[in-house]
Amino acid sequence: DGGITQSPKYLFRKEGQNVTLSCEQNLNHDAMYWYRQDPGQGLRLIYYSQIVNDFQKGDIAEGYSVSREKKESFPLTVTSAQKNPTAFYLCASTTTGDTEAFFGQGTRLTVV
Amino acid sequence: EDQVTQSPEALRLQEGESSSLNCSYTVSGLRGLFWYRQDPGKGPEFLFTLYSAGEEKEKERLKATLTKKESFLHITAPKPEDSATYLCAVPLDTGRRALTFGSGTRLQVQP
Repeated sequence: DGGITQSPKYLFRKEGQNVTLSCEQNLNHDAMYWYRQDPGQGLRLIYYSQIVNDFQKGDIAEGYSVSREKKESFPLTVTSAQKNPTAFYLCASTTTGDTEAFFGQGTRLTVV
Repeated sequence: EDQVTQSPEALRLQEGESSSLNCSYTVSGLRGLFWYRQDPGKGPEFLFTLYSAGEEKEKERLKATLTKKESFLHITAPKPEDSATYLCAVPLDTGRRALTFGSGTRLQVQP
């Protein structure tokens, strides 16, 4: 079945640690995205990538980094510079930026 | 400034009680308006895309409509399984090819 797989589903981070969230898609989509969702709020764009080896900052990129070495993969690293990382992280992909986005099931990150 | 606003923030309905959710946008050149359903702890699930004023789309008890400034998601005779957060999103008119989301409407349908 085609889709987007995010892992892990739950992740705990100690203060000062970097952690990496995985996102893999087998939909053959060119564009991939990372969003952050806080309780009772909508989705805010962290980073996005239209093609391999290229990515752009979204609205809240500070404290995050990404890579796009393969079309299928778009991992997100939450660095120690992100002061409030506890949130629900969603990865998505589209054929282009103007078509419907398909989402993974999310990773819930908690700082302990 | 381009933005997307949804109302109400929360809505509680009795089973069978029809209502509408609103999504207003200020994008100058609309390149599509997208509706999603999100269940707690899950990723959003795509429902509809609307591209031009006057366009309507239906799926079971849901019907989405679009005007030049807003979209409505009409829910007819809702059931408890329709309880979820409904999100709308648009691509901003900034050349950035990514969706910008409203904050959502949390719908609860009581039996």
